[in-house]
Amino acid sequence: DAGVTQSPTHLIKTRGQHVTLRCSPISGHKSVSWYQQVLGQGPQFIFQYYEKEERGRGNFPDRFSARQFPNYSSELNVNALLLGDSALYLCASSLVRPGNTGELFFGEGSRLTVL
Amino acid sequence: DAKTTQPPSMDCAEGRAANLPCNHSTISGNEYVYWYRQIHSQGPQYIIHGLKNNETNEMASLIITEDRKSSTLILPHATLRDTAVYYCIVSNLYGNNRLAFGKGNQVVVIP
Repeated sequence: DAGVTQSPTHLIKTRGQHVTLRCSPISGHKSVSWYQQVLGQGPQFIFQYYEKEERGRGNFPDRFSARQFPNYSSELNVNALLLGDSALYLCASSLVRPGNTGELFFGEGSRLTVL
Repeated sequence: DAKTTQPPSMDCAEGRAANLPCNHSTISGNEYVYWYRQIHSQGPQYIIHGLKNNETNEMASLIITEDRKSSTLILPHATLRDTAVYYCIVSNLYGNNRLAFGKGNQVVVIP
């Protein structure tokens, strides 16, 4: 069975540009979360979506936005890129709805470099 | 902010049990203890979670102290493939998908 897939795996952008990262959850998973991992740090929560609705947002500026589509795939958008946005962006999907416990399944991530 | 304290790094011998400590002295009654690991250049991988009882699965055992202020993840027979950063995370019922990762514990399994 396919795991969580993310695209692109690597990309390079320049300051001020915009980027869109994509995530396909495991089949049947309705919950998708996004995390940012800066080199040397643990992942930081950005967004959670369940059934196409935003269910949580971390401490990130409005330049970061996301959405979830009817097929439960998701996009993370970052506008006006800064050097500090360089990071590994991780997508995770889950079978359980918010309010219940369970494991998150992470993709391999999209590594963004901003020059 | 992460609510857990882990050693920044530790070594363990291949074939021996690896005991990974975690302190979470401010844990609330409705917060679970989760463990994930991240092998270099991969996404984090779920290992185990528990509330107050000890838990065991095919990967590891989780021992939570009676006062729930600390826990230990036990890898029963460490292999070289267990070399990774291990994250101990506490999260309440409604934070299931929003985990607060700290810097984790870099575990190196030595032949």
